[in-house]
Amino acid sequence: DAKTTQPNSMESNEEEPVHLPCNHSTISGTDYIHWYRQLPSQGPEYVIHGLTSNVNNRMASLAIAEDRKSSTLILHRATLRDAAVYYCILDRGAQKLVFGQGTRLTINP
Amino acid sequence: DTGVSQDPRHKITKRGQNVTFRCDPISEHNRLYWYRQTLGQGPEFLTYFQNEAQLEKSRLLSDRFSAERPKGSFSTLEIQRTEQGDSAMYLCASSPGPPPNEQFFGPGTRLTVL
Repeated sequence: DAKTTQPNSMESNEEEPVHLPCNHSTISGTDYIHWYRQLPSQGPEYVIHGLTSNVNNRMASLAIAEDRKSSTLILHRATLRDAAVYYCILDRGAQKLVFGQGTRLTINP
Repeated sequence: DTGVSQDPRHKITKRGQNVTFRCDPISEHNRLYWYRQTLGQGPEFLTYFQNEAQLEKSRLLSDRFSAERPKGSFSTLEIQRTEQGDSAMYLCASSPGPPPNEQFFGPGTRLTVL
């Protein structure tokens, strides 16, 4: 399974942008980069995914490095509801998601 | 609510008993997944179905575990002769197609084996 590396935890303040990094140096050309998040006591929730180009949706933006060996999930204006564990996952078409430990994001009021 | 539902939400059982969990996916989704999550860890893949066919099983899924999706709609996950190590959150997800389609997760069933 393709491996990703994320910081164990990050902290930010409400209404400020948050940049969550992910390293995936062994990514191959056809791997999609997915981000999911898991709020306390809930199942994971899809956030965004991309292949080569940067992506935006109503929840977040995904910035993908030119060499694709890293990516950054950007929450433009964090709220308390964004406090969660964020998972960066490489999809090799294996029909399943392989979760790592993720980054625990704390948002301070 | 048209999301993925799971039943029961919580189950407490004694070691050695059998338990069965149910998952109802989003109705038009033909792919259904089961994951297990222990405290402080990310979810781990157990198995997945495309319609009624079980196409992949993790080696985490011992002989005591069995999953079915008889009519390609809801799915059940049964654990026989439960052990304390089976205590975990069991998550179900569904998807309208293969990756990179997103998976929609249910709230999970929390199993505690005493």
